[in-house]
Amino acid sequence: KAGVTQTPRYLIKTRGQQVTLSCSPISGHRSVSWYQQTPGQGLQFLFEYFSETQRNKGNFPGRFSGRQFSNSRSEMNVSTLELGDSALYLCASSLALGGGYGYTFGSGTRLTVV
Amino acid sequence: KNEVEQSPQNLTAQEGEFITINCSYSVGISALHWLQQHPGGGIVSLFMLSSGKKKHGRLIATINIQEKHSSLHITASHPRDSAVYICAVEWDSGYALNFGKGTSLLVTP
Repeated sequence: KAGVTQTPRYLIKTRGQQVTLSCSPISGHRSVSWYQQTPGQGLQFLFEYFSETQRNKGNFPGRFSGRQFSNSRSEMNVSTLELGDSALYLCASSLALGGGYGYTFGSGTRLTVV
Repeated sequence: KNEVEQSPQNLTAQEGEFITINCSYSVGISALHWLQQHPGGGIVSLFMLSSGKKKHGRLIATINIQEKHSSLHITASHPRDSAVYICAVEWDSGYALNFGKGTSLLVTP
């Protein structure tokens, strides 16, 4: 059974640009959550989607947004990139909202902003 | 502020040693997760706990809800156990995962 797929794996962008990251969950999983990992702040929750609706949002500026499609695939977008947005972005999928059924993580997208 | 504290931050052990990593949290939770992250970034979910104890191979996770504390034990440690171990909780008030800073474990032969 295929795992959680994140694309691309690596990305280099220039300050001020925007970027879109993709996450394909495990088949049958309806919840997708996104996380940012930096050396300074560690792992931080960005947002969670279930049935195409954002159900929960972390403490990030509005430049960070996301969406979920009817096939449960999710994208996150960061506009007007800043150097501090350089991070590993991870997504995780779950059968339902929250971790009651456990989470399966993707390998992440490493974003570098120059 | 709701917090998740892990200790120790770094841990070096010799192969075969028994290892304990601790996690404390500040308010009520609905679930606690132990995660493993190898160099390169991929995260593997090891355990999800809401009470008691779980065991998988050489790994054991326990949680004491009254004391707001969980431990991850590794018996007969092996160099392949070298990784960062992260505790994450779901507060009673919401679904989002809140993470500890992680424990970096190095097991030497």
